[in-house]
Amino acid sequence: DGGITQSPKYLFRKEGQNVTLSCEQNLNHDAMYWYRQDPGQGLRLIYYSQIVNDFQKGDIAEGYSVSREKKESFPLTVTSAQKNPTAFYLCASSKDRVIEDEQFFGPGTRLTVL
Amino acid sequence: QKEVEQNSGPLSVPEGAIASLNCTYSDRGSQSFFWYRQYSGKSPELIMFIYSNGDKEDGRFTAQLNKASQYVSLLIRDSQPSDSATYLCAVMTFNKFYFGSGTKLNVKP
Repeated sequence: DGGITQSPKYLFRKEGQNVTLSCEQNLNHDAMYWYRQDPGQGLRLIYYSQIVNDFQKGDIAEGYSVSREKKESFPLTVTSAQKNPTAFYLCASSKDRVIEDEQFFGPGTRLTVL
Repeated sequence: QKEVEQNSGPLSVPEGAIASLNCTYSDRGSQSFFWYRQYSGKSPELIMFIYSNGDKEDGRFTAQLNKASQYVSLLIRDSQPSDSATYLCAVMTFNKFYFGSGTKLNVKP
């Protein structure tokens, strides 16, 4: 089955720790995205990547880092510099930058800082 | 001003009624418009997209786009309790996606 997987589903982090969220897709999509969702709010873009070895900051990139070494993988690291990381993190992918392009979402990772 | 605005709701409708969800956007250069449904604790799933002025129908769902007035709406006919969810409007502008904060819909049996 084609799709996007994210792991882990739940993640607990101590203050001062870096953690990495995994995102893998087997849809052969070029573009991948990371969003953050806080309760009662919409999705805010953290980082996105249109091709391998290239990525761009979104609206709230501070305290996060990403890599895109393979087309199918786009891991997100939440660093200790992110002061309020507790949120629901969603990874998405899309085929190409065309007008009818849609984003497919993974199941999400819920991160909680202890 | 936010790129995409939605009324947070909740919008309550009885089963079988028409639910009307609205979304406005700020950038006239926006190209494509999407409606996603998100159940509590789950990830968004695409319901419809539209990029031309007018209506687009898919089953019980109709998306309406008015670029001159910069709004897009979603109508759900014959609403079912299983339609109860948060509906996110997304707009693609210059190859970036912007999401509204969502409208919570409650369909009462």
